[in-house]
Amino acid sequence: EDKVVQSPLSLVVHEGDTVTLNCSYEVTNFRSLLWYKQEKKAPTFLFMLTSSGIEKKSGRLSSILDKKELFSILNITATQTGDSAIYLCAVPGGGSEKLVFGKGTKLTVNP
Amino acid sequence: EADIYQTPRYLVIGTGKKITLECSQTMGHDKMYWYQQDPGMELHLIHYSYGVNSTEKGDLSSESTVSRIRTEHFPLTLESARPSHTSQYLCASSFSLTGELFFGEGSRLTVL
Repeated sequence: EDKVVQSPLSLVVHEGDTVTLNCSYEVTNFRSLLWYKQEKKAPTFLFMLTSSGIEKKSGRLSSILDKKELFSILNITATQTGDSAIYLCAVPGGGSEKLVFGKGTKLTVNP
Repeated sequence: EADIYQTPRYLVIGTGKKITLECSQTMGHDKMYWYQQDPGMELHLIHYSYGVNSTEKGDLSSESTVSRIRTEHFPLTLESARPSHTSQYLCASSFSLTGELFFGEGSRLTVL
């Protein structure tokens, strides 16, 4: 069965800290891995990763994929209170037309 | 900005009522999805569609039903709402399975 596991489930840091969020997966026929940020309402897209070792970067956020070890990390440097959100990792199911989501990491950034 | 819309955004109804949550997208996406999410909890896929006249049940058993008569429209219906249906319902669409999923703003349903 396809599976996505995120850790930690919850994280509390102070502004300015750097955080690393983890996502491991088990899926047949891997195609891509996606990261989303969810604040109060709907998830918004951050990154899509398909190749190992190639870092995707957007401002203070970056992500990298390791297809050999079946995981991805999402880094946030110099965190701000606006980074407080749930970060979701997802992979397309191996044999189906649907995304498999992890439970998410709830990040709280305190001033 | 994503062109996917959900209505109503908020709905409070009594037990036993029939409700339909609307979802429309103007991006021409074939794939559409309904997720259910309680506050602070994970997303659960309840229905999805590959295209017109295609509907499939998701991972979480749901008493709701869906239809896909037009590409842009994917409504979800509860024939007889119960308090256990209280939740947020998120609609999403994508061009391809491996690409970005676009979410609507969600419909928050409360059944008294």
